[in-house]
Amino acid sequence: AQTVTQSQPEMSVQEAETVTLSCTYDTSESDYYLFWYKQPPSRQMILVIRQEAYKQQNATENRFSVNFQKAAKSFSLKISDSQLGDAAMYFCAYKDGAGSYQLTFGKGTKLSVIP
Amino acid sequence: EAGVTQSPTHLIKTRGQQATLRCSPISGHTSVYWYQQALGLGLQFLLWYDEGEERNRGNFPPRFSGRQFPNYSSELNVNALELEDSALYLCASCRDLPYNEQFFGPGTRLTVL
Repeated sequence: AQTVTQSQPEMSVQEAETVTLSCTYDTSESDYYLFWYKQPPSRQMILVIRQEAYKQQNATENRFSVNFQKAAKSFSLKISDSQLGDAAMYFCAYKDGAGSYQLTFGKGTKLSVIP
Repeated sequence: EAGVTQSPTHLIKTRGQQATLRCSPISGHTSVYWYQQALGLGLQFLLWYDEGEERNRGNFPPRFSGRQFPNYSSELNVNALELEDSALYLCASCRDLPYNEQFFGPGTRLTVL
């Protein structure tokens, strides 16, 4: 079974600074997808960024980028120029590329942004 | 485009009762996923419905069941409620391809007394 591990239960960052959230996963599959979801205090989960395992290039979405290390099974999220609105729970998630398509989540990292 | 909607927002039940939670997916999405977000346990996959069929279920007892209707909306039923069923239940929908993003609803907070 696939597992996702987020080793940082809580992190904080100064506004306008950069922070990196860690995620490792375990799978025997070669075809899969990785995601970072954000859950603000209002609780609706939204997708931050997505990475296809077959793509070597790291995904970027504006201030958000990932460092995808397939051999190390590592998938970290970097948030640049942190803003107050970035404060939320961040979940790393894994999905198989075939078969069952549910998400397997890490336990989350609570990010605080200090003004 | 309307997002995923869930009802009710909050639900309070007592042990042994049954709870019914509802989810309406985004128009055009045929897959609905249910997840349980319990304190300290993170997000756990419950059930996956696609085209009216149950495609997969997570490691939950048969007390957790559901269905998907012809309009792709879905219902989650929890029978014989136990205190540890207290959690936020999230519904997500997507088109049925693996690379497609799952869009989440706001959740139903179930409290079992």
